[in-house]
Amino acid sequence: NAGVMQNPRHLVRRRGQEARLRCSPMKGHSHVYWYRQLPEEGLKFMVYLQKENIIDESGMPKERFSAEFPKEGPSILRIQQVVRGDSAAYFCASSPPQLHVNYGYTFGSGTRLTVV
Amino acid sequence: QKEVEQDPGPLSVPEGAIVSLNCTYSNSAFQYFMWYRQYSRKGPELLMYTYSSGNKEDGRFTAQVDKSSKYISLFIRDSQPSDSATYLCAMKGKGGTSYGKLTFGQGTILTVHP
Repeated sequence: NAGVMQNPRHLVRRRGQEARLRCSPMKGHSHVYWYRQLPEEGLKFMVYLQKENIIDESGMPKERFSAEFPKEGPSILRIQQVVRGDSAAYFCASSPPQLHVNYGYTFGSGTRLTVV
Repeated sequence: QKEVEQDPGPLSVPEGAIVSLNCTYSNSAFQYFMWYRQYSRKGPELLMYTYSSGNKEDGRFTAQVDKSSKYISLFIRDSQPSDSATYLCAMKGKGGTSYGKLTFGQGTILTVHP
């Protein structure tokens, strides 16, 4: 079991470009969560997805950010027209469909986005 | 006011010391409480989870939840240099889309020196 896989590990984009961050959940996990970690801050929830369905996007900025989790393939977090303030570590987590009450999420190693 | 408050430290202790990490929270809907450990440049790793009030022990780690005071703690006994990391408390509500959202503290940086 390879765990939650995120790629790329590091991503550098110029202001105004698009950033695409990918997350492959653990085998058997159909729920995916995206979090953002700014320097010296805790993780902030962005979005919770199931296959082909956005469950909770209350933490997503209203503009430029979108997320999807298609039937096939990884989950994608997409940031359009990046700005310097988007520079952060973006973490993906996954969990199984049962959502056991005593189960914590498994996080990936993150994608570190730098906007120059 | 943040929903979850955590002293960022940094905290520096000698090897073998007992470490106490704490978080307070304001949202009474939180029912599930977790502690994550995060090494530099890595993702958070789940250490402990508890439901509602009470204690839970796992090896050198003990998690306590006091819902009446909205206060949770993590104790590390016989601390080791390998415990040096950032410790994040996290919590979530019960039911519906609340399952999907963890609210984190900002993390406490711990260094255990030999």
